[in-house]
Amino acid sequence: DADVTQTPRNRITKTGKRIMLECSQTKGHDRMYWYRQDPGLGLRLIYYSFDVKDINKGEISDGYSVSRQAQAKFSLSLESAIPNQTALYFCATSESRTGPEPQHFGDGTRLSIL
Amino acid sequence: AQTVTQSQPEMSVQEAETVTLSCTYDTSENNYYLFWYKQPPSRQMILVIRQEAYKQQNATENRFSVNFQKAAKSFSLKISDSQLGDTAMYFCALGEYKLSFGAGTTVTVRA
Repeated sequence: DADVTQTPRNRITKTGKRIMLECSQTKGHDRMYWYRQDPGLGLRLIYYSFDVKDINKGEISDGYSVSRQAQAKFSLSLESAIPNQTALYFCATSESRTGPEPQHFGDGTRLSIL
Repeated sequence: AQTVTQSQPEMSVQEAETVTLSCTYDTSENNYYLFWYKQPPSRQMILVIRQEAYKQQNATENRFSVNFQKAAKSFSLKISDSQLGDTAMYFCALGEYKLSFGAGTTVTVRA
């Protein structure tokens, strides 16, 4: 089983719909992140969380919200989807200790908004 | 703010040969970390190599090595003895926990 699981893997939906992307992890990591990937732009940070009570905005948080339901679960919501939110979304986790702890990524959710 | 620039959108290399990917960055932090991630067509993000800015010694992981030039803010990745399985997009990333990524370089290994 994957250490970082994202659901759904692919999703097509319509403008104006509310969408939730889910992420769960079995790595026991404190820190969780949401990124979006767009061609030519790389990955950009949407939100991150250091523990259940800690939520922080990233570079591009407008139009998104998150919920950290438990240490292992971190969901991303688009309250009213718009076409320019079409992208590949990644959840990642990392340990909370000093040093270059790499982030471990899920397999991504490809979201298309028509 | 921190930025990462990968100036080579695409590169092609013959199997068994060497290819070098460039990455330059800008940050106001004195201590930071640099990473290279690989994204094959399966779209997974796989860590290739990491470098701590306070370490002058260049990191090496099997056929992958970096040339870290802190003064020049440069962090290039060398892939030696390229294999078909190295075909992927490669991302350079900067940060401690809030990572900033470059736009990526697509590497194609030819048989």
